[in-house]
Amino acid sequence: EVQLVESGGGLVQPGGSLRLSCAASGFTFSTNWMNWARQAPGKGLEWVAFIKGGGSEKYYVDSVKGRFTISRDNAKNTLYLQMNSLRAEDTAVYYCVKDGNWAFEFWGQGTLVTVSS
Amino acid sequence: QSALTQPPSASGSPGQSVTISCTGTSSDVGGYNHVSWYQHHPGKAPQLMIYEVSKRPSGVPDRFSGSKSGNTASLTVSGLRAEDEADYYCGSYAGSNTWVFGGGTKVTVL
Repeated sequence: EVQLVESGGGLVQPGGSLRLSCAASGFTFSTNWMNWARQAPGKGLEWVAFIKGGGSEKYYVDSVKGRFTISRDNAKNTLYLQMNSLRAEDTAVYYCVKDGNWAFEFWGQGTLVTVSS
Repeated sequence: QSALTQPPSASGSPGQSVTISCTGTSSDVGGYNHVSWYQHHPGKAPQLMIYEVSKRPSGVPDRFSGSKSGNTASLTVSGLRAEDEADYYCGSYAGSNTWVFGGGTKVTVL
């Protein structure tokens, strides 16, 4: 059974940093592309970042380029999202998502990030 | 990376059908067959319902179907049931290893 468990969310001040983690199990993590997506309060889903299995290729939505970094540790079956220079508009539930068939195949339960002073 | 356009709401009575549209451009929906649909009950994890325009993952009822014409994709839910009441989002590959979602449609079962 595929399981994705996010952690690391919380309250942070504008300009601050936070690192999200996603523990994956139930599939061969190292060969699967992975994503982060988010949903701001009262808003729709938004794709945030994507990383291929080897970890060398990474892509981002324009609004987080230069501030967020996606990475993975295939030995630990863990996906990360380092978020720097956080803004109020980054407030959202962040989801770890397994890619498959050119779609967001399996989603974690999400972790809430609140950026506020 | 502009969001795809979905109607904010749709509704139907139990047993009826409801169709949700998802309009993009030739750079996303119209340019690729990598269109997908997600069901999201608030507070829960979104669930993939349709991928590659019209394919259903294992376990998704055949009451859910997808199609595409030009820059517009559609999701039809037939034989509406109370448990189908949820938010539905379309998603599309947008080239250069980027993806875009729609704004979401709230489906109400009357």
